[in-house]
Amino acid sequence: DAKTTQPNSMESNEEEPVHLPCNHSTISGTDYIHWYRQLPSQGPEYVIHGLTSNVNNRMASLAIAEDRKSSTLILHRATLRDAAVYYCIPIYNTDKLIFGTGTRLQVFP
Amino acid sequence: DTGVSQDPRHKITKRGQNVTFRCDPISEHNRLYWYRQTLGQGPEFLTYFQNEAQLEKSRLLSDRFSAERPKGSFSTLEIQRTEQGDSAMYLCASSSGQLAYYGYTFGSGTRLTVV
Repeated sequence: DAKTTQPNSMESNEEEPVHLPCNHSTISGTDYIHWYRQLPSQGPEYVIHGLTSNVNNRMASLAIAEDRKSSTLILHRATLRDAAVYYCIPIYNTDKLIFGTGTRLQVFP
Repeated sequence: DTGVSQDPRHKITKRGQNVTFRCDPISEHNRLYWYRQTLGQGPEFLTYFQNEAQLEKSRLLSDRFSAERPKGSFSTLEIQRTEQGDSAMYLCASSSGQLAYYGYTFGSGTRLTVV
């Protein structure tokens, strides 16, 4: 399994963009990069995933480095509801999510 | 469809008692997963079903734990002779296909406290 490195915590103010980095230097060529987040007292929630190209959806954008050794989850305008733990997880040919410790995002009004 | 449902949301039990949790996946999802999460940690994989077949079990799933998915619909997770170390959030998730392409949908979990 590819190892990931994420900052333990990050802070943002409401309405500002947030860039959450993830290093996955041991990723294989076929691993998809998934992001999940977990709000307090909730189960994890799928955010976005990608393989090589940058991806956008209604929740966030995912920017994947050209060498695929890192990626960045972008929240364009943080809200208080975005305060959560964010997990970056490389996945291929497995049916198990291997969660690390993630990044705890605090959002201030 | 309201997503993945788990019941109960909270359970307090005395050490040594048996407990059973239920998970109702999204109706068209044929894959169902159980995870366990202790305080401050990420969720850990326990077991996985494709339809009614249990395809994989983690070493975390001791012989006191059993999971079933009769008829490939809802699933139950039973813990016999509970211990204080079993206190955790038990999470269920479902998926319509291979994880890499489809991702999971998680339920809100059942929080177990063993006293």
